[in-house]
Amino acid sequence: AQSVTQPDIHITVSEGASLELRCNYSYGATPYLFWYVQSPGQGLQLLLKYFSGDTLVQGIKGFEAEFKRSQSSFNLRKPSVHWSDAAEYFCAVAFNDYKLSFGAGTTVTVRA
Amino acid sequence: GAVVSQHPSWVICKSGTSVKIECRSLDFQATTMFWYRQFPKQSLMLMATSNEGSKATYEQGVEKDKFLINHASLTLSTLTVTSAHPEDSSFYICSARTGSGEQYFGPGTRLTVT
Repeated sequence: AQSVTQPDIHITVSEGASLELRCNYSYGATPYLFWYVQSPGQGLQLLLKYFSGDTLVQGIKGFEAEFKRSQSSFNLRKPSVHWSDAAEYFCAVAFNDYKLSFGAGTTVTVRA
Repeated sequence: GAVVSQHPSWVICKSGTSVKIECRSLDFQATTMFWYRQFPKQSLMLMATSNEGSKATYEQGVEKDKFLINHASLTLSTLTVTSAHPEDSSFYICSARTGSGEQYFGPGTRLTVT
């Protein structure tokens, strides 16, 4: 079945430590890939996206993601987490119709 | 970046009544808007695609007579939950697509049906 999987429901990380959020997809073709962040009371914000080209994508707020076709993965990383990065993170995919299918989300908690 | 607003941000209604949620693209024109539903601690589920000037396209399992969508202009789409019941209580989120394909999301509307 076609799906987007975020294996980690909840991740706790210390401020200043690195963060990696996993995302795997299962589709016949390579979709467009996105990472969004959702903070309480705010709309989803696009962190970065991959359509084609360089497999290492730089986004906003110091985030980056790497597309690995062989692993059907698009993992999100940040070298040093700030307390303001505590939020819900969603991986999403789309095709030419731009209809997004979201993963279940990963809640990130940042401890001092 | 582009801004999408939703109104109201929170609404409480009685069972059996209807409620309308507005989604506006404030600084760009959106020929396509999307409506999502999000249950607590869960992901967003696409409900329907709203195209300006034409009928909305609903995802499988979404009742089109229950969730009426109107995309009257290039900056406004509305979702009307008709004859609402407690199980319709949820967080409803819209997004608007720019000409370049990017989607911008509204802040969401929390609907509580009592």
